[in-house]
Amino acid sequence: SYELTQPPSVSVSPGQTARITCSADALPKQYAYWYQQKPGQAPVLVIYKDSERPSGIPERFSGSSSGTAVTLTITGVQAEDEADYYCQSADSRGTYWVFGGGTKLTVL
Amino acid sequence: EVQLVESGGGLVKPGGSLRLSCAGSGFTFSSYNMNWVRQAPGKGLEWVSSISSRSNYIYYADSVQGRFTISRDNAKNSLYLQMNSLRAEDTAVFYCARGGSGWYLWGRGTLVTVSS
Repeated sequence: SYELTQPPSVSVSPGQTARITCSADALPKQYAYWYQQKPGQAPVLVIYKDSERPSGIPERFSGSSSGTAVTLTITGVQAEDEADYYCQSADSRGTYWVFGGGTKLTVL
Repeated sequence: EVQLVESGGGLVKPGGSLRLSCAGSGFTFSSYNMNWVRQAPGKGLEWVSSISSRSNYIYYADSVQGRFTISRDNAKNSLYLQMNSLRAEDTAVFYCARGGSGWYLWGRGTLVTVSS
């Protein structure tokens, strides 16, 4: 089955840049999506189609893609960005969705 | 207001059944694929099932294939998940999510607890 791998945790100080990478275990790679989830809340889409930002999401959130990996970058991290972040993608036929294991972002 | 509201969760014994519902409002429900995602306590998100806008395409995760059935009633703006042969490992918050290029809209979830 298709798998996405994320680091379990990332820690940064306020104002620094946080990068969370999500690696796919096979090609071809479908578009990737990123969700932010705070405790007790539903996930919120922060990046779609690898690098597009939904309206209402701050500009400090950006996404990029290279080969079988995608990266979520948060430039100038704020305390409110502390959350779990999940990448999502689909298998080559677009019929089987997969989430990465999630990365807990800690703002020191 | 554009929203999704799940219902139907609760406590059920192993081997039992439960039917979840998800009511959509504020948008044209029949135009969107719909999805179920679950999250076990303290764990990550797990995709469960997806259904196309007209129900002609349906997909399941291997972990629920043969036990869960997704369906929808566009006339009632509702999505359903019939869950049979429930196991302890099915204990989770179940979310419905609207499909599209990125799942913008999620419900708040409904908790399913499978325990004797």
